[in-house]
This record gives sequence, structure tokens and C-alpha cells, in this order.
Amino acid sequence: GQNIDQPTEMTATEGAIVQINCTYQTSGFNGLFWYQQHAGEAPTFLSYNVLDGLEEKGRFSSFLSRSKGYSYLLLKELQMKDSASYLCAVRPNSGNTPLVFGKGTRLSVIA
Amino acid sequence: DGGITQSPKYLFRKEGQNVTLSCEQNLNHDAMYWYRQDPGQGLRLIYYSQIVNDFQKGDIAEGYSVSREKKESFPLTVTSAQKNPTAFYLCASNGRNSYEQYFGPGTRLTVT
Repeated sequence: GQNIDQPTEMTATEGAIVQINCTYQTSGFNGLFWYQQHAGEAPTFLSYNVLDGLEEKGRFSSFLSRSKGYSYLLLKELQMKDSASYLCAVRPNSGNTPLVFGKGTRLSVIA
Repeated sequence: DGGITQSPKYLFRKEGQNVTLSCEQNLNHDAMYWYRQDPGQGLRLIYYSQIVNDFQKGDIAEGYSVSREKKESFPLTVTSAQKNPTAFYLCASNGRNSYEQYFGPGTRLTVT
């Protein structure tokens, strides 16, 4: 089976840094994705990791350790508009194959 | 502009009726996917298609049907056999040389 775990909810203060963790156990591994989803809207792509290490993109960074089945999404200089759900997803198989999603982490940014 | 369109955004149906959700893309993507999202749940795969005239069941295909007669279109029919059809339905696609899945805006289906 496929299993992806991430915390259900987190709260952080505007201007701070927050780290959202994701652990996975899947039948295979061909990349890990982070998506942002505002309430009632479609997910939007944030990052992709296929090799170990840190990928930085502006205020957002994503880390992967394949040996530990672990990833995190780091959000810096939090803004109120970052309040959203963050979805961790893994592509177990190669090619144009489906992603397996975690249940998402709902982040609330407070003043 | 290239993208994925889903229509309508909100859909209301009576129990016992079949309903078809539209998904169209002009990204020239080979693969298309249908996911369902319930409150507090992640996205769950209903069906996917990697090429025209071919599709595979996902984890929760029971009560749903699809067709892929054209590369651009991947409609999903929610049949009366689906026990809990009220949900947010998301269509996605990705190209052969792209790792990213692009999502449409979604259709929120309410069945009463």
C-alpha cells in the first residue's frame, strides 16, 4: 500500500518561519511534490524533489531524504496569504503516472 | 492561454441521476487524471488515462465511468451507483516531458 503522513494543522505567526513535515512509504519513488491549495480552489504546484537535498525557490524551500522517506516544506517570512493547505504527494511509478497524496496540512498564519 | 478547464464550477443533482463533469485541456498533454477531494481528506484517484482510447481505474473507481475519445477531453460520469457522490472533483494533466501535474479549477458536485 501507499502511505503519506503529514500533520493535520499548524499555526504560525506572520513574518516567522514554518516547517511542514511529510513522511512516506510507497511501493516506489519517482519524485515528491508539494502543492498549495487555498480553500475551494485547485492545488497549485510549489516544488518537486527527486534527488536528496534542498531545493530553494524564493520564500519556499523543500527538502528530501529518500533513505528516510522524509521531506519538509519550509516557508520563510510568512504572509497572511500563505494561509492554505499544503499537500505532499509522491509519484511511485515512472512516466506519466498518478500521484499519491497525503491528506494535507492546513496552515493558519496569524498576526 | 493554455490550461485546463472544468465546467461547471458548481453542480447540483438529485439522487439517482447520472451526471457528467467536463474536463478539457489545450496543453497537448497525453496524460489526464480525475481526483476526488472530501473535507479533511487528500486527493484520491478515480481514473486516469495515459493515451487516447485507453484509461485505468484508480483507487476509488466504483460508481464512476470515463472516456478518452480525444486527447483534449476526459469527461467523468458520476453514476447513480456512486454511494457518496457529493465532493470536490479535480481534473489534472501532465505532458510526456513534464513532471508537474497541472490542475483544473475543479467542480463542486452536490447531490441531494
